[in-house]
Amino acid sequence: DAGVIQSPRHEVTEMGQEVTLRCKPISGHNSLFWYRQTMMRGLELLIYFNNNVPIDDSGMPEDRFSAKMPNASFSTLKIQPSEPRDSAVYFCASSTGTGLGYTFGSGTRLTVV
Amino acid sequence: DAKTTQPPSMDCAEGRAANLPCNHSTISGNEYVYWYRQIHSQGPQYIIHGLKNNETNEMASLIITEDRKSSTLILPHATLRDTAVYYCIVRLNNAGNMLTFGGGTRLMVKP
Repeated sequence: DAGVIQSPRHEVTEMGQEVTLRCKPISGHNSLFWYRQTMMRGLELLIYFNNNVPIDDSGMPEDRFSAKMPNASFSTLKIQPSEPRDSAVYFCASSTGTGLGYTFGSGTRLTVV
Repeated sequence: DAKTTQPPSMDCAEGRAANLPCNHSTISGNEYVYWYRQIHSQGPQYIIHGLKNNETNEMASLIITEDRKSSTLILPHATLRDTAVYYCIVRLNNAGNMLTFGGGTRLMVKP
């Protein structure tokens, strides 16, 4: 298995633009998680899905952020409009129902200028 | 999930054992202890987990005290590639249960 695949690896965009981050979980994993990491706040859970259904989005910072999981093999995290304070590394992770452990993707480094 | 306390940083000489402590005094009976690490610029990586008994795998050993209020992750022969931030997390083992990361311990392995 190729693991959790995130794209793009790096994104530089101007303030006010829409940004879409993509994630392909490991086949057979039925839970998917989006995290954000900054120096100041560390790793924060934004939202997670079980069987494609959003379960907890309390970590989503504001309405500018939205996440979807249209099927078991794809999820997006969208920021519209983007702001400089959204600059961070965004990680996607997936896990099986057993809760044994997560597998993280390599992350997307977002820079909003 | 129970809260954990870890030292912010530690040093270890290459080839020596690295012992990373974690306090989780409010852990409940059905919560597991998980360890993850994050090497610079990469996503966190699962290392090991346990409930009551000590555990060992190809990466590390996990020692959990009898009262389960603390644990130690042991890297038996640390290498430079083990330099990373190590996170101790306690959580229920339910399906889809999320991981909540604290500050972790930044381990620096020195030649």
